[in-house]
Amino acid sequence: NAGVTQTPKFQVLKTGQSMTLQCAQDMNHEYMSWYRQDPGMGLRLIHYSVGAGITDQGEVPNGYNVSRSTTEDFPLRLLSAAPSQTSVYFCASRSTGFGGTSPAREKLFFGSGTQLSVL
Amino acid sequence: AQSVTQPDIHITVSEGASLELRCNYSYGATPYLFWYVQSPGQGLQLLLKYFSGDTLVQGIKGFEAEFKRSQSSFNLRKPSVHWSDAAEYFCAVGTGYQKVTFGIGTKLQVIP
Repeated sequence: NAGVTQTPKFQVLKTGQSMTLQCAQDMNHEYMSWYRQDPGMGLRLIHYSVGAGITDQGEVPNGYNVSRSTTEDFPLRLLSAAPSQTSVYFCASRSTGFGGTSPAREKLFFGSGTQLSVL
Repeated sequence: AQSVTQPDIHITVSEGASLELRCNYSYGATPYLFWYVQSPGQGLQLLLKYFSGDTLVQGIKGFEAEFKRSQSSFNLRKPSVHWSDAAEYFCAVGTGYQKVTFGIGTKLQVIP
């Protein structure tokens, strides 16, 4: 069972370049999300999705774009990379909960991360 | 708004010694509480979680955590640390319907 798969693992960009970080999960999870991890700041939510066609902003959405056309995939786009976007990016998914319980109590499944450097 | 505080950014313990990592939260009701572990170069993995019932919860790898409502705390403990426990540990709280907030993490170093 692959779980959450992120590609690429490493990427170097020049300021102003664009790129897409890929995320796929095979657990049929409705909820998917993107976090960035920076030293001393923990994980901060960028964008999330609660199902195909539904996305919303998290804590730090500026400079990032997302879409959700299928349940499995949730790509993160950097339209014009900036040095401030140098970070480690994690994709995570979780189930929506069972029997009407809150999804917030379900565990998150994380990908192995993408280390992005913007020069 | 909810918040999570992990007051210790870095902790060093000797192999075989006991461990306690602190986590405090701020939220008006009882949140869903999690501890995740991140090994170098890896994503986060759930150690344990609490959402109701017995306030002492057992997790994987011999870890346990205790929810103390009066102190708004959810500290992680292990009686005897192994060198393979060296990693970064994140406390997280789930609130409302969707939101999960992470602490800044505690990096654990284990010395022989």
